[in-house]
Amino acid sequence: AQTVTQSQPEMSVQEAETVTLSCTYDTSESDYYLFWYKQPPSRQMILVIRQEAYKQQNATENRFSVNFQKAAKSFSLKISDSQLGDAAMYFCAYRSPPNAGGTSYGKLTFGQGTILTVHP
Amino acid sequence: DAGVIQSPRHEVTEMGQEVTLRCKPISGHDYLFWYRQTMMRGLELLIYFNNNVPIDDSGMPEDRFSAKMPNASFSTLKIQPSEPRDSAVYFCASGLYNEQFFGPGTRLTVL
Repeated sequence: AQTVTQSQPEMSVQEAETVTLSCTYDTSESDYYLFWYKQPPSRQMILVIRQEAYKQQNATENRFSVNFQKAAKSFSLKISDSQLGDAAMYFCAYRSPPNAGGTSYGKLTFGQGTILTVHP
Repeated sequence: DAGVIQSPRHEVTEMGQEVTLRCKPISGHDYLFWYRQTMMRGLELLIYFNNNVPIDDSGMPEDRFSAKMPNASFSTLKIQPSEPRDSAVYFCASGLYNEQFFGPGTRLTVL
């Protein structure tokens, strides 16, 4: 079974600075999807960024980018120019590929989450 | 699109009562998921559907929990009878194979 580990329960950053959140995963599959979700105090789960494992290029969405190291099974999230609105819990998630079949297809496996605090 | 819609947003009930949570997925999405989030256990997948068919319900904690998806635009999660340990935030999510969008959640409190 796939597992996702976020080793940083809490992180903090100064406004306008850069912060990196870590995520590692364990899988025997060669193709899969990785996600970062943000959960602010409103508790709404918001998709931040997505990475397909078959793509070597790291995904980028405005101030958010990932460092995807497939061999190391590492998927870190970098937030540049941090803003107060970035304060939230961040979850890393893994999803099996479409051809996995069985009951693993389609569902997300989440990490434990990292609480990010942004200081003004 | 209005996104995934869940109702009610908050539910307070007494132990032993039946609770029904509702979800309307985003139109066109063929996957629907029910999650539970607690401080102790984090985010747990309870059950998910593909094209209205339950695929994996191994996360459903007990027989007190049941979920249905009678059509592509509606799903329910029922707890009968409810217990205080069922208190949590319940999320519904819908998606395609490469993405998943969450509803705002239902905060359930069982007294």
